[in-house]
Amino acid sequence: DADVTQTPRNRITKTGKRIMLECSQTKGHDRMYWYRQDPGLGLQLIYYSFDVKDINKGEISDGYSVSRQAQAKFSLSLESAIPNQTALYFCATSEPPREQYFGPGTRLTVT
Amino acid sequence: GNSVTQMEGPVTLSEEAFLTINCTYTATGYPSLFWYVQYPGEGLQLLLKATKADDKGSNKGFEATYRKETTSFHLEKGSVQVSDSAVYFCALSDQETSGSRLTFGEGTQLTVNP
Repeated sequence: DADVTQTPRNRITKTGKRIMLECSQTKGHDRMYWYRQDPGLGLQLIYYSFDVKDINKGEISDGYSVSRQAQAKFSLSLESAIPNQTALYFCATSEPPREQYFGPGTRLTVT
Repeated sequence: GNSVTQMEGPVTLSEEAFLTINCTYTATGYPSLFWYVQYPGEGLQLLLKATKADDKGSNKGFEATYRKETTSFHLEKGSVQVSDSAVYFCALSDQETSGSRLTFGEGTQLTVNP
């Protein structure tokens, strides 16, 4: 089984809809991250969490919110989706000083 | 702040050719440096890393040396294969100034033709 899972893997939604992307991990890591990938821009950090009670904004948090329901679960919400939020979204976990481990990604399309 | 700059892509090579993907960085602390690879339809996987100056990371025939004097971490492979076709990301993590957060470069698309 994969260590970091994301659901759904693909999602098409309409402008103005609320959508939640979910991430679960079995690695036992405290730190979790949400990234967005756009072509030619690499990955940009949306939010990160160092433990259940510690949530921080990343570089591009506007229009997004997160919830850390448990050590193993970190959800990303788009309260009112807009077309320029169409992107590939990745969840990752880490336990410093080791590297980050990434999920398979969620492809989100907002029409 | 921290930043990572990768050579512009895409890069197209023939099988068995030599590969170099340039990566330079700016950091205020003492970062660890990483190369991640993304195969089509998949998430990112760590390819190699180096945690201090002059360290060489290596994996699957790929190598990169942490050069503090030139603030670089170029990725090299002596003989690429078709299966190396992927997107490669250089990244840094500066524990002192940003915890374990990663700063990524733009990514370089590599295509290897038979």
